[in-house]
Amino acid sequence: GIQVEQSPPDLILQEGANSTLRCNFSDSVNNLQWFHQNPWGQLINLFYIPSGTKQNGRLSATTVATERYSLLYISSSQTTDSGVYFCISGGSNYKLTFGKGTLLTVNP
Amino acid sequence: EAGVAQSPRYKIIEKRQSVAFWCNPISGHATLYWYQQILGQGPKLLIQFQNNGVVDDSQLPKDRFSAERLKGVDSTLKIQPAKLEDSAVYLCASSSYCFYNEQFFGPGTRLTVL
Repeated sequence: GIQVEQSPPDLILQEGANSTLRCNFSDSVNNLQWFHQNPWGQLINLFYIPSGTKQNGRLSATTVATERYSLLYISSSQTTDSGVYFCISGGSNYKLTFGKGTLLTVNP
Repeated sequence: EAGVAQSPRYKIIEKRQSVAFWCNPISGHATLYWYQQILGQGPKLLIQFQNNGVVDDSQLPKDRFSAERLKGVDSTLKIQPAKLEDSAVYLCASSSYCFYNEQFFGPGTRLTVL
């Protein structure tokens, strides 16, 4: 199946800072999603983005399918942004794979 | 639109006991997934259903885990007998038609095996 690598594994920011999280995948994908797992364990949908660019408030994402990566941008970070960010991708073999996640800590 | 429902939210059992988890996907969603998330790791797919048929169960420990989705709507995941290493959060997700549609997750069931 597709291999998914996320970077960085850990990130510590001060409130108000911007950040970029990266997801690399090993093959062509038909599905690419970004999730935020909050401290209570709930996985919250951020973006469904197998290609192109989307924005939602302070968050935006870009997937460059031909170069096999996706980026998640967080601007003006807030303490509530803390948690683990996962990307999940799937290709022609119909299997979905989670990355290992990026643990984001935003300090006040 | 109601989200993915799961119950119970928490369960504590002794090793060698059995346990069952229930999931009700978003109305109309044909595809249903069960994931296991061990503390500190990303979710691992256990089984994927398309309507009431199994699409992928390659990572399901079939000697002790079973799952069914008899009428193509809600689903049950069972562990019998449980082991200490089964302690994890069990997440259910659904998508509207197939794997390359957007997935939505339920709140999960946190299982502790003592």
